[in-house]
Amino acid sequence: SQQGEEDPQALSIQEGENATMNCSYKTSINNLQWYRQNSGRGLVHLILIRSNEREKHSGRLRVTLDTSKKSSSLLITASRAADTASYFCATFVRGAQKLVFGQGTRLTINP
Amino acid sequence: EAQVTQNPRYLITVTGKKLTVTCSQNMNHEYMSWYRQDPGLGLRQIYYSMNVEVTDKGDVPEGYKVSRKEKRNFPLILESPSPNQTSLYFCASAPGAYYEQYFGPGTRLTVT
Repeated sequence: SQQGEEDPQALSIQEGENATMNCSYKTSINNLQWYRQNSGRGLVHLILIRSNEREKHSGRLRVTLDTSKKSSSLLITASRAADTASYFCATFVRGAQKLVFGQGTRLTINP
Repeated sequence: EAQVTQNPRYLITVTGKKLTVTCSQNMNHEYMSWYRQDPGLGLRQIYYSMNVEVTDKGDVPEGYKVSRKEKRNFPLILESPSPNQTSLYFCASAPGAYYEQYFGPGTRLTVT
């Protein structure tokens, strides 16, 4: 079952612009995580936000979490060509020990 | 270097021929997991393990087996592979449940 749904499915922007991706989920969560995947390679963890947190920053990344709307957003500021990748949100459902991924957003940064 | 390794990286096999994909981590992590990734379906969890001898089903366990006899290893076994198991497989580990996961490089499996 898909817990997380991401929007948009694909995003293409110019280098230097900001990129925003959204994630919605269905059930109560322990935490929500964002991962990046470059072209069929392994996923790399970007940021984890707990259910009692509303916002978190890491370098050029900003993640928000709204548990009342069951949604999260990932903002990448001042995008670079190297940010071209697929981005996935994943949720740890409260009471379960398994991580459920969304289908991802494919981000393309044009030079 | 802290890492998760998977072998083989690429495998082409025939229907019904048993195979094992190995996964090993050197971070002393308690939690390990297997995922498959298919176009349009994202990553789906197959099995996970909270610790040695403790495993549980994920969302798509049918046709797969796992074992966790040692903390560092978590092999994925396909006893009788079928073409619908053609996919990209990822192993991951974490210090425990609810933590960020570290992924291996992936195993691309084709079953003909």
